[in-house]
Amino acid sequence: QVQLQESGPGQVKPSETLSLTCTVSGGSISTYYWSWIRQPPGKGLEWLGYIYSSGSTNYSPSLESRVTISVDTSKNQFSLILRSVTTADTAVYYCARDSGAAAGIAFDIWGQGTTVTVSS
Amino acid sequence: QSALTQSRSVSGSPGQSVTISCTGTSSDIGRYNYVSWYQHHPGKAPKLLIYDVNKRPSGVPGRFSGSKSGNTASLTISGLQADDEADYYCCSHVPASSVLFGGGTKLSVL
Repeated sequence: QVQLQESGPGQVKPSETLSLTCTVSGGSISTYYWSWIRQPPGKGLEWLGYIYSSGSTNYSPSLESRVTISVDTSKNQFSLILRSVTTADTAVYYCARDSGAAAGIAFDIWGQGTTVTVSS
Repeated sequence: QSALTQSRSVSGSPGQSVTISCTGTSSDIGRYNYVSWYQHHPGKAPKLLIYDVNKRPSGVPGRFSGSKSGNTASLTISGLQADDEADYYCCSHVPASSVLFGGGTKLSVL
């Protein structure tokens, strides 16, 4: 069965760049939407953006100036870059597969999540 | 875009039914039949319970059901079990291929 695994640094300094990778195993990265979703401490889920397997992207309006999502189909991976981070970006970051015909329809497979702390 | 509105908490006793509501606008929930619901136990990955307003993925018990009326979607859990105690989030597709989550509802099973 398809599994997702996030990887990347657990701590980032303020004003620097957060970089995470999601590795897809047990299936192909083709033909789906792939999203990044986060949960700050004590708060709810927040969608950051998606990339389709073709490479098309869309981002949350509140973050689109700082976010880039890319895909490497040869490695079955997709990645998140978040620039100019602040302590407000401290969160558990999840990658997820969206099995719907459009974005946000059905996040049916999730990674276990990785905690990123923004601190000097 | 503001988060979809969910009540912060709801509670019920084992065997009872509870309903969690999620209110949006005519631009999101009211416009699309693309509402999904997720169960989130702390420290674990969220789990898809409902998609397309009222469809259940294979493996999700029939105790979980979804509906929508106007700008409000609802998740009903019947026959409450102790393991149902978790946070529940609604989610909607919104214009410009974007996605909006609700603020989450904490379900306590008394």
